[in-house]
Amino acid sequence: DAKTTQPPSMDCAEGRAANLPCNHSTISGNEYVYWYRQIHSQGPQYIIHGLKNNETNEMASLIITEDRKSSTLILPHATLRDTAVYYCIVRVSNDYKLSFGAGTTVTVRA
Amino acid sequence: DVKVTQSSRYLVKRTGEKVFLECVQDMDHENMFWYRQDPGLGLRLIYFSYDVKMKEKGDIPEGYSVSREKKERFSLILESASTNQTSMYLCASSQRRALYNSPLHFGNGTRLTVT
Repeated sequence: DAKTTQPPSMDCAEGRAANLPCNHSTISGNEYVYWYRQIHSQGPQYIIHGLKNNETNEMASLIITEDRKSSTLILPHATLRDTAVYYCIVRVSNDYKLSFGAGTTVTVRA
Repeated sequence: DVKVTQSSRYLVKRTGEKVFLECVQDMDHENMFWYRQDPGLGLRLIYFSYDVKMKEKGDIPEGYSVSREKKERFSLILESASTNQTSMYLCASSQRRALYNSPLHFGNGTRLTVT
C-alpha cells in the first residue's frame, strides 16, 4: 500500500481557505487519492477523490501534483463546522479496503 | 444522498452476551463493511460483504461473525461479548463496480461498551 504523510494538526481562520497537504511519494499509477473527514463522535464522511486531474465538488477541491507524489485538499471558505480530523488515503487498486492513518486535526477558529 | 443507518448509537452489554449490530443502506450498494475504531489504532476492517450471503474476513475477524440475508442489511454479531470488544463500530457501503473508484459511505457508528 502506498503510505500517506499528513501534518498532525493545523489551525485555520473562519472564512479563509484551508489547505491540507498530503504526501504519497510511493503511489502507483492506478491508485486513487481519497479524502475523508471525521467530526467528533460521527462516522467518517467522504469528501472527494481523484486519480490525476484536479477535482472539485460542493465540499472541496483536490489538487494533485503532476508527479502524483503529493496532493492538497482545499476547503475554500472554512467554517467552524469544518473542525474535524481529515484523512488522506491512497486506495490500492482492486482492493475494497480503506486504510485510515492518523490524519490531520483541523481546528477552525473564529 | 447515500444513507447508512446503524440501529443503535450507544449500546451497553455484559460480558458473555450475544450482541447484534445492525446496519441498513438505502442506495442499493453491493458492498458493505464493518469496521471498528479505537484510539491510537485507527479504523480496522472486521468483515466485508460483496453480495447477499457472501462475506470475507477483514483484518480482525476473531470474535465476530456477520450476516447478509438482504442486500440492504448487514449485521455484525459478537457471539460472546468481551471487554476488549468495547469500541466504536462503523458500518459502510459502496458500489461494487470499479471497487477502487467507489467511495465508501459510513454510518454514524455504534459505541459499544462491554462491562
